[in-house]
Amino acid sequence: KNEVEQSPQNLTAQEGEFITINCSYSVGISALHWLQQHPGGGIVSLFMLSSGKKKHGRLIATINIQEKHSSLHITASHPRDSAVYICAVRRYGGSQGNLIFGKGTKLSVKP
Amino acid sequence: EAGVTQSPTHLIKTRGQQATLRCSPISGHTSVYWYQQALGLGLQFLLWYDEGEERNRGNFPPRFSGRQFPNYSSELNVNALELEDSALYLCASSQQGQYYEQYFGPGTRLTVT
Repeated sequence: KNEVEQSPQNLTAQEGEFITINCSYSVGISALHWLQQHPGGGIVSLFMLSSGKKKHGRLIATINIQEKHSSLHITASHPRDSAVYICAVRRYGGSQGNLIFGKGTKLSVKP
Repeated sequence: EAGVTQSPTHLIKTRGQQATLRCSPISGHTSVYWYQQALGLGLQFLLWYDEGEERNRGNFPPRFSGRQFPNYSSELNVNALELEDSALYLCASSQQGQYYEQYFGPGTRLTVT
């Protein structure tokens, strides 16, 4: 079993829909990252969370440390949001520098 | 401010050859991280360099190696290439100690035939 699991694997939405991507992990962590990977490979770091909730524009990320679960929400989705969204965690007490990645959620937003 | 740059964009090699991938971090960043994204496997941590030294490596064989130069740019070398080494190799950089805030480059797609 992977230490970081994402769901769903693939998601198709209509423009304007509210989208939720989930991430569950099985290890103690010091931080969780949400990353966005566009076609072609480029990765952008969206959020780094250790507790609570963060908001940036139409993106909201939440984390529940007790339940070992995080969600990424996209409000008023747009075709330009189409990308792979990756959850990554840093194991608590683990070596600095390495992240453990989920396999990603491929989001496609149709106009 | 320029972001993390990687070269080449694409690299095609045959089995048994060696591949060299390069990464230039954001100005002021001293840490460089290498990741492999093989098809269907997601991203996996490869190597971490800081101040010219290897700080940590992931679960990869010794034929994956690298170095960091005095200007903090980095090279990833893959020797004795195997077909399963075909992947997107991503480099990221951060300021020293700020491993939680990594900025990623566009990647090098390595194809081994």
